[in-house]
Amino acid sequence: GAVVSQHPSRVICKSGTSVKIECRSLDFQATTMFWYRQFPKQSLMLMATSNEGSKATYEQGVEKDKFLINHASLTLSTLTVTSAHPEDSSFYICSARLQGLAGSLTDTQYFGPGTRLTVL
Amino acid sequence: GESVGLHLPTLSVQEGDNSIINCAYSNSASDYFIWYKQESGKGPQFIIDIRSNMDKRQGQRVTVLLNKTVKHLSLQIAATQPGDSAVYFCAESRSNAGKSTFGDGTTLTVKP
Repeated sequence: GAVVSQHPSRVICKSGTSVKIECRSLDFQATTMFWYRQFPKQSLMLMATSNEGSKATYEQGVEKDKFLINHASLTLSTLTVTSAHPEDSSFYICSARLQGLAGSLTDTQYFGPGTRLTVL
Repeated sequence: GESVGLHLPTLSVQEGDNSIINCAYSNSASDYFIWYKQESGKGPQFIIDIRSNMDKRQGQRVTVLLNKTVKHLSLQIAATQPGDSAVYFCAESRSNAGKSTFGDGTTLTVKP
């Protein structure tokens, strides 16, 4: 259980285009999902918290008009990188929050496999 | 600001030995800590977690120790196997906040 998927796993696009990444919780409902960005050999940087049915909460320094987040259902959140540029190339990872899964002490985040974005 | 950092960026062990990965955190308000394993090109995988009212928790081949006095967290892996080779992150969270702050990561390499 507690499987999170992301689509696509890899995308290459031209500079100036927009790219949408989907994050789905496959076997549970998630009122909260998180979007992270990870550069090579670095840690995960939280970009925003996605709340079902309401606006996302962005971390300081993350442009909300650049990285559009929509959490339209309890199993799907999308991140759209608008007018992508080469500096947006990165590994984007989502996670979904699961409440009280057996074996963990509290709400736990389960991560998707990530999406590798390359902007040419 | 808050930060969660790891003492060593890399760790190399022989197959079968025990591994200890360390983590320091600075936010005394943190009350929930998680260890994740990330293999190359994949998302992080939950390993084990611990609350601030505990000092030790055991899972299958893994043990997490928490020392709140010095704000230190460690992950012990027993009988390390080649499949344990990965980057390990500790993360700090406040249980009511939901979101986690990740440390820098330790790369564990298991030599056969």
